[in-house]
Amino acid sequence: NAGVMQNPRHLVRRRGQEARLRCSPMKGHSHVYWYRQLPEEGLKFMVYLQKENIIDESGMPKERFSAEFPKEGPSILRIQQVVRGDSAAYFCASSPGQVVEQYFGPGTRLTVT
Amino acid sequence: RKEVEQDPGPFNVPEGATVAFNCTYSNSASQSFFWYRQDCRKEPKLLMSVYSSGNEDGRFTAQLNRASQYISLLIRDSKLSDSATYLCVVNYNNNDMRFGAGTRLTVKP
Repeated sequence: NAGVMQNPRHLVRRRGQEARLRCSPMKGHSHVYWYRQLPEEGLKFMVYLQKENIIDESGMPKERFSAEFPKEGPSILRIQQVVRGDSAAYFCASSPGQVVEQYFGPGTRLTVT
Repeated sequence: RKEVEQDPGPFNVPEGATVAFNCTYSNSASQSFFWYRQDCRKEPKLLMSVYSSGNEDGRFTAQLNRASQYISLLIRDSKLSDSATYLCVVNYNNNDMRFGAGTRLTVKP
């Protein structure tokens, strides 16, 4: 029973490029959450999705960031025109329902050079 | 007031010590509470849920105080392997959870 999968585990992008981060939830989980963690800081909620729907994107920056969770395939967090300040660990979590425990993937460490 | 607030520590304790962390939350309607642990450069892992009546799992005890809006985590007989950052998690509304910034614990031999 595989856990939450994220890929790539490490991603290096130059300023201005696009970054695509993928997350496959645990089997049977239809709720996906994305978090960002800056070095030496706590997790910051970004977005909550269910299949084909964005439920809450109150933590997403207004520009350059988008997320989707299509009917088939993984959830994607997309960052356009990356800047140095986007360098962080991005964690995805999934849960079988609302307001229950979330299970985290290993994260994608994005480095913008 | 922050949604979820924790003492950042660090807590440095000797092996065998008992250590307690508190976490306060701002939303009085919050229903679900959890403790996670996060090792350096790893993902958070669920440690335990926190129930209204309090709950215990081995050396770990979690308590909830709704009147004062805080939860606590007690670790007895600390082990070196308990060294980690402990994250308090509270549901902010029906849709998502909010994480505290974490309390760092180092258990020394």
